[in-house]
Amino acid sequence: NAGVTQTPKFRVLKTGQSMTLLCAQDMNHEYMYWYRQDPGMGLRLIHYSVGEGTTAKGEVPDGYNVSRLKKQNFLLGLESAAPSQTSVYFCASRLNSYTEAFFGQGTRLTVV
Amino acid sequence: AQSVTQLDSQVPVFEEAPVELRCNYSSSVSVYLFWYVQYPNQGLQLLLKYLSGSTLVKGINGFEAEFNKSQTSFHLRKPSVHISDTAEYFCAVSDQTGANNLFFGTGTRLTVIP
Repeated sequence: NAGVTQTPKFRVLKTGQSMTLLCAQDMNHEYMYWYRQDPGMGLRLIHYSVGEGTTAKGEVPDGYNVSRLKKQNFLLGLESAAPSQTSVYFCASRLNSYTEAFFGQGTRLTVV
Repeated sequence: AQSVTQLDSQVPVFEEAPVELRCNYSSSVSVYLFWYVQYPNQGLQLLLKYLSGSTLVKGINGFEAEFNKSQTSFHLRKPSVHISDTAEYFCAVSDQTGANNLFFGTGTRLTVIP
């Protein structure tokens, strides 16, 4: 099993460009999450999904959109990238609230 | 809403010495508690979790944590650290609503000194 796979691993964007980060999990998990990690701030929840076709806002959703058209995939979109979105992005999935979350290896995004 | 406070952003400790990484949480409902470790340039992996029952939880790599409901704490301990324990450690709390969200603290960087 691959677990949680994120693509791409690295990306450099110019301000105003758009991109989509892909997260795929092969564990049949219902819940999927997108976090961003910034120095000294831990992981902050951007958006999450409780099942196929559902999405909801987390703590820091502004500037991002998500879609969950298939149960195994959770896409994070940046419509118009800003330097403040320079961060490391992590996708995670879990079965329910008392099981562990499995994380991808992260995507390092730099917006110049 | 839930929140997690990790009181120490950095903890240096000599090899083979004991260590405690502190975590406090706030919640108006019952929660589940987790500790994750992140090695450089990697994702997070689970060290241990508390769901219910015994308040002392044992995890991988010799780590353990104690749940204290009255003090709303979930401190992580190891009696003797190794160089390989150098990493960032995150405490997390999971709510029991339908969203099953997982909220993280700001992390503690453990540096083991030879």
